[in-house]
Amino acid sequence: DTEVTQTPKHLVMGMTNKKSLKCEQHMGHRAMYWYKQKAKKPPELMFVYSYEKLSINESVPSRFSPECPNSSLLNLHLHALQPEDSALYLCASSQVRGVTEDTQYFGPGTRLTVL
Amino acid sequence: AQSVSQHNHHVILSEAASLELGCNYSYGGTVNLFWYVQYPGQHLQLLLKYFSGDPLVKGIKGFEAEFIKSKFSFNLRKPSVQWSDTAEYFCALFTNAGKSTFGDGTTLTVKP
Repeated sequence: DTEVTQTPKHLVMGMTNKKSLKCEQHMGHRAMYWYKQKAKKPPELMFVYSYEKLSINESVPSRFSPECPNSSLLNLHLHALQPEDSALYLCASSQVRGVTEDTQYFGPGTRLTVL
Repeated sequence: AQSVSQHNHHVILSEAASLELGCNYSYGGTVNLFWYVQYPGQHLQLLLKYFSGDPLVKGIKGFEAEFIKSKFSFNLRKPSVQWSDTAEYFCALFTNAGKSTFGDGTTLTVKP
């Protein structure tokens, strides 16, 4: 089973709202990732967690706040977003970050619209 | 710094035609190379991957890719495409540092 699940599928929020995206995997993977994908563009890496610790932050604005409460769950807390933050947010997981022969498996994404 | 370049932005083929999508990468260390496919309205799915060993790798749905180290290339091929292969194709490079870089993608349209 190589399933990564994400909720919600769609989210519409105002610029003053606070919301959270959720990602879950039960493959025993110890690395989890958040990506942002704009229409007709490739996924862009935002954050990487390794063994529940934040290991990579690709200079993402502080209005995006990741959290990894346990090895199966990854959250992305959103606050005071801008309309240009509207995108598909993808979660991925892999066995262990930074080793050879590691493969990332992607979830279906959350389509976020900021009004 | 690492980068991935996909030369073909949009490819249009008729069914049964052969496919080759180009991918070149730039990175000085050990690379893991991938092709992912994103069908309309669906999530990214792994097509195939290369880590080491035989430079010709086979993936799902009849796709294969060849790693040519001297050319820093990892081109995707399929001998005979089907209408159902219509999708966005991404070449990606993952490094041991945990960083991942995707190419800009190639939109493949297969006409029935």
